[in-house]
Amino acid sequence: AQSVTQLDSQVPVFEEAPVELRCNYSSSVSVYLFWYVQYPNQGLQLLLKYLSGSTLVKGINGFEAEFNKSQTSFHLRKPSVHISDTAEYFCAVSEYGNKLVFGAGTILRVKS
Amino acid sequence: DAGVTQSPTHLIKTRGQQVTLRCSPISGHKSVSWYQQVLGQGPQFIFQYYEKEERGRGNFPDRFSARQFPNYSSELNVNALLLGDSALYLCASSFYARDQPQHFGDGTRLSIL
Repeated sequence: AQSVTQLDSQVPVFEEAPVELRCNYSSSVSVYLFWYVQYPNQGLQLLLKYLSGSTLVKGINGFEAEFNKSQTSFHLRKPSVHISDTAEYFCAVSEYGNKLVFGAGTILRVKS
Repeated sequence: DAGVTQSPTHLIKTRGQQVTLRCSPISGHKSVSWYQQVLGQGPQFIFQYYEKEERGRGNFPDRFSARQFPNYSSELNVNALLLGDSALYLCASSFYARDQPQHFGDGTRLSIL
């Protein structure tokens, strides 16, 4: 069965510093991978997706992620964060485009 | 274009009651999925409907049921509410059953007293 592990429950970082949010998944088949962001009292907004092709995926708001099949990882990165990036971030996996399986989330706290 | 819309936004119920949550997908989308997000956790898959038929079911008790209408909108019903059913219920839509990514609504916050 597929599963997702987000290695950090909270990540504090100063404004304009780089950040990496880590995600590992387990699956016995090919998968699609996603990062979603959730602001307080809102639903999930898609940041970026990996379906196939280039392993480096660029998303909205300056975020990018790299798919590493050998390490079964899909870490999210941003070179310089802003206060407005403070939110909860969810990594998700889908086998063959079926249901999404989410990690427990990582709260990114950007400090001034 | 309107995104995925869910109603109501907030709901308070007591234990043992029944609740119906509603979802309208993005225009043209035929697949609707429901997820439950308990506070402090990631969303968990409950159901997927495509062309009015159930295409997937998560590990939830039979108290949870859903249906999809000819206009592709959907309802999620929960009977005999328990305190543990308190959560944010998210609806997501896509064109086809295995189409990704899914687009999420802002959810219905259900509180059980």
